[in-house]
Amino acid sequence: SQELEQSPQSLIVQEGKNLTINCTSSKTLYGLYWYKQKYGEGLIFLMMLQKGGEEKSHEKITAKLDEKKQQSSLHITASQPSHAGIYLCGAEYGNKLVFGAGTILRVKS
Amino acid sequence: ETGVTQTPRHLVMGMTNKKSLKCEQHLGHNAMYWYKQSAKKPLELMFVYNFKEQTENNSVPSRFSPECPNSSHLFLHLHTLQPEDSALYLCASSQVGTAGANVLTFGAGSRLTVL
Repeated sequence: SQELEQSPQSLIVQEGKNLTINCTSSKTLYGLYWYKQKYGEGLIFLMMLQKGGEEKSHEKITAKLDEKKQQSSLHITASQPSHAGIYLCGAEYGNKLVFGAGTILRVKS
Repeated sequence: ETGVTQTPRHLVMGMTNKKSLKCEQHLGHNAMYWYKQSAKKPLELMFVYNFKEQTENNSVPSRFSPECPNSSHLFLHLHTLQPEDSALYLCASSQVGTAGANVLTFGAGSRLTVL
């Protein structure tokens, strides 16, 4: 099993709908990072969460860190076609940044 | 040029060829990374260089040989690769020693196909 599990693996939502992506760690989380990737391209940094209960927002994307549950969630409000892509969470394990397998998001117009 | 630049964007090579991937960062960062992204697998860290010194080799086969001549340039030399090495190779950089040490800036990647 992987150290960092993301769910769902993929989802398709209608434009305007809300959605949530989860990232669960098998180890204690000291730092959790969210990145977005367009297919076949590099990753773009979205947000960094470092404290339990921390919540950050950027435009219509909100991420939260539940340290006790070793989990983070990424919530997108009123999804748009521009939100489509692969969302990856990354966790600090020691001095390494380990990534989850990613969640593929498609937004139907 | 800004950010992290990778060349070539696409590469097709035979198993007996020798080629190199190049990465250049214009951000003044002190750490550079090579990641491998294969279909349906998590992003795999291959190598890390801090201040031009290799600090991480994640059990990568010797047919992959990294080189970091200075803090702005990173190469990945490839020789006698296998078809299963076909993947997207991503370069990234960050500023180690700050709160943003794991805020990586990625290049667009080099799509490698081994025939």
